[in-house]
Amino acid sequence: QVQLQQWGAGLLKPSETLSLTCAVYGGSFSGYYWSWIRQPPGKGLEWIGDVNHSGNTNYNASLQSRVTISVDTPKKQFSLKLSSVTAADTSLYYCARGVRGSYYYMDVWGKGTTVTVSS
Amino acid sequence: EIVLTQSPGTLSLSPGERATLSCRASQSVTSNSLAWYQQKPGQAHRLLIFGASRRATGIPDRFSGSGSGTDFTLTISRLEPEDFAVYYCQQYGSSVFTFGPGTKVDI
Repeated sequence: QVQLQQWGAGLLKPSETLSLTCAVYGGSFSGYYWSWIRQPPGKGLEWIGDVNHSGNTNYNASLQSRVTISVDTPKKQFSLKLSSVTAADTSLYYCARGVRGSYYYMDVWGKGTTVTVSS
Repeated sequence: EIVLTQSPGTLSLSPGERATLSCRASQSVTSNSLAWYQQKPGQAHRLLIFGASRRATGIPDRFSGSGSGTDFTLTISRLEPEDFAVYYCQQYGSSVFTFGPGTKVDI
């Protein structure tokens, strides 16, 4: 059974860089796209972007200028960096395993990491 | 960007009843990119349906998805106590995944 375990700093000051990592346990790392999604308090889910095992990335255009998603395939880990954070980036951040091609969906999710941006 | 709207916002039902959840898109969505998820407090999101109507592995057959174009439906034929949760639809189009705001199914 595939499980995702995520971690990272939970409290940031404005202008700092958010950094989260997600480790994949079980299952294959290749053949999937590894996603980051966030949910601000009281709001809906927002897809941030994804990366495959080769390092090919796709980003939400609304965040692209501040986002970097990277992969460490030997470790079966992928990471999110979001620069110049503001209070608007306060959210619950999820990592997920995604499928692209014949279908488009995320079939395994992490439990989420709360990130708060406050001075 | 395709905007998804879900209705109702909250659905109050009893175990054994039928639940019908709606997901409407601001423009046509290809069926292979429409998925439904369940979320319970403190738990990871669970994929229920992909490709608009295909049940994910291990999902009971009381869950079914239907629809095409701009209108999609998730139906739970007979609610079990463990089905009370928040349900989200998701689509992929124009190089971005978007999600609906969710429907809460409560007792």
